Amino acid sequence: SYELTQPPSVSVSPGQTARITCSGDALPKKFAYWYQQKSGQAPVLVIYEDRKRPSGIPERFSGSSSGTVATLTISGAQVEDEADYYCYSTDTSANHWVFGGGTKLTVL
Amino acid sequence: QVQLQESGPGLVKPSETLSLTCTVSGGSISGSYWSWIRQPPGKGLEWIGYIYYSGSTNYNPSLESRVTMSVDTSKDQFSLRMSPVTAADTAVYYCARVERTTSTAPGHYYYYMDVWGKGTTVTVSS
Repeated sequence: SYELTQPPSVSVSPGQTARITCSGDALPKKFAYWYQQKSGQAPVLVIYEDRKRPSGIPERFSGSSSGTVATLTISGAQVEDEADYYCYSTDTSANHWVFGGGTKLTVL
Repeated sequence: QVQLQESGPGLVKPSETLSLTCTVSGGSISGSYWSWIRQPPGKGLEWIGYIYYSGSTNYNPSLESRVTMSVDTSKDQFSLRMSPVTAADTAVYYCARVERTTSTAPGHYYYYMDVWGKGTTVTVSS
């Protein structure tokens, strides 16, 4: 079965740049998407199609993808960005939809 | 603006059937794909499957033998049934709208969840 791999945790100080990676064999052919989930809340889409930002998402959130690794970058991370972040994509056939294991971002 | 609301029993006994419904408001269920996702306590997100408004489905292979999804376009609702359940099925269950975008490769598409419900907690226990 298809898998996406993320680091379990990332920690930065306020104002620093946080980078969260997601690796998967199909990412050269399929877009990566990123969701932010704060404690007790439903996930919110913050990046779609590797690098596009939905309306209402701050500009400090950006995405990129190269080869089998997609990266979510939070430039100038703020305390309110503390959350779990999940990457999502599909296998090359788009039949199997998968979330990464999630990365807990700590900003302190 | 489309909103989704999950509903159903919060407690299900082991070996019985979990049944949840998602009601779509602020838009129509027609023309779109819809998905279920779950999250066990303290764990990550797991995609359960999707249903097209026409009724076609695609399920996570690890759950396929126990899952059935259906749609009622007259009520703008879609549903999830899972049977039999065990304690491992205890989770927050989310419904979501699926956005489909076109790939440069003919006949290929991208799918992702863009609008989510708030989630409903289901506990499997006797």
